[in-house]
Amino acid sequence: DAKTTQPTSMDCAEGRAANLPCNHSTISGNEYVYWYRQIHSQGPQYIIHGLKNNETNEMASLIITEDRKSSTLILPHATLRDTAVYYCIVYSSNTGKLIFGQGTTLQVKP
Amino acid sequence: NAGVTQTPKFRVLKTGQSMTLLCAQDMNHEYMYWYRQDPGMGLRLIHYSVGEGTTAKGEVPDGYNVSRLKKQNFLLGLESAAPSQTSVYFCASRPQGAGSHEQFFGPGTRLTVL
Repeated sequence: DAKTTQPTSMDCAEGRAANLPCNHSTISGNEYVYWYRQIHSQGPQYIIHGLKNNETNEMASLIITEDRKSSTLILPHATLRDTAVYYCIVYSSNTGKLIFGQGTTLQVKP
Repeated sequence: NAGVTQTPKFRVLKTGQSMTLLCAQDMNHEYMYWYRQDPGMGLRLIHYSVGEGTTAKGEVPDGYNVSRLKKQNFLLGLESAAPSQTSVYFCASRPQGAGSHEQFFGPGTRLTVL
């Protein structure tokens, strides 16, 4: 399973965009990039996923580089409720398994 | 819909005791998963099931057993609890088929083994 590398922690000012980077240099052609977040020890919550193209939904945008070796999750207008641990996961539909790393702790500050 | 529910929410066991954690989902999902999360760590997959009557091992299956007798329920058993099994346990489910493989998580069970 491909591994991911994320910064341990990041800060963001409330109302500003939060850009969370992720490196996945060993990703295979049929593996997806999934993002989940975990707020205060609750169960993880799905945010977004992508294969090659950039994706956007009501929560966030996902920018994947052309070589697919890295990606960035963008929360366009961070709020205090976005304070959480964000996990970048390389997912294979062959195995069906989510392999969680340690994630990035995002602290949104007033 | 209640989504994914877990019973109990909290439990304290003594070393050597046994217990069963129950996960239930009302979304008619085929796939179900059990994870554990230790402090400051990401989730690790214990066991999973791709349908009623099936189970498979994940990353850290030792010391645990599972059963999926009904599609909506996935049970995680600890036959002889050890302090190393102190953790937060999360259950998840997802539908089968093409498209998003989003997993839906329960609220977790906090287990302490003394």
